[in-house]
Amino acid sequence: NAGVTQTPKFQVLKTGQSMTLQCAQDMNHNSMYWYRQDPGMGLRLIYYSASEGTTDKGEVPNGYNVSRLNKREFSLRLESAAPSQTSVYFCASSEALSYGYTFGSGTRLTVV
Amino acid sequence: EDQVTQSPEALRLQEGESSSLNCSYTVSGLRGLFWYRQDPGKGPEFLFTLYSAGEEKEKERLKATLTKKESFLHITAPKPEDSATYLCAVQASGTYKYIFGTGTRLKVLA
Repeated sequence: NAGVTQTPKFQVLKTGQSMTLQCAQDMNHNSMYWYRQDPGMGLRLIYYSASEGTTDKGEVPNGYNVSRLNKREFSLRLESAAPSQTSVYFCASSEALSYGYTFGSGTRLTVV
Repeated sequence: EDQVTQSPEALRLQEGESSSLNCSYTVSGLRGLFWYRQDPGKGPEFLFTLYSAGEEKEKERLKATLTKKESFLHITAPKPEDSATYLCAVQASGTYKYIFGTGTRLKVLA
C-alpha cells in the first residue's frame, strides 16, 4: 500500500521554465492538497481539491495551477518558475476535509 | 487573525525524561486541532485529531490534550526514536483550511 506518491523527488529549474509535479494516492480519498514548506514559515496551502472535479485556492496560489485529473491524481503546475518558488512541496490526501491528512514524501524544488 | 504558535522551538531531552510540547491557537471557532510528526526529509505523519476542550488522545508514549486556547503533546519516557519535529495545525470553524504552526524540533539523547 503506497499511500501518497509524489514525483519527482528532486528538481532544479531555471527561472522561467515550467514543470508539473505529480501526485497520486491509492487510498480512495476524496480530498487532496498541495502545500509548500519553507524554513520558519510552516506548511502553507497552495491549492486543494475537496472532491473529484473541484479545486480551490489556498493561502499562496499565485504562480501555480492545479488539475484534479481523477480521484487518484492531483497535479501542480508551475508555468514560469521564479526563485521565490524554491521550496519543498508536499501533496496530501484525506478521506474528507476535516480528517487527518496522509502526506507524500515531498519534492525538493530549486529555481536558479 | 487566526494564528498557531508552538513552543519551544527546539527541545533536547535525555532518554526517559518526560516533557510537554505546547500549541497555542487563536481562531474564531475551532473545528479541529491536529498533531503530526515529521522526520527529516519526509512528509508529516498524522498522529491525532482533537475536536473539543477536555478531549485527550493517546498513542504509545504520546498523549495529546486540548483546552480552549491550547493543546499539549505530552511525551512520557521518550526514546531516541521519538526524535522528530512535531507539528500542530488547527482548522477554524467555517473553513476547511489548516493553519500550521512552525513546529517543535525534539531531540532525545540516549
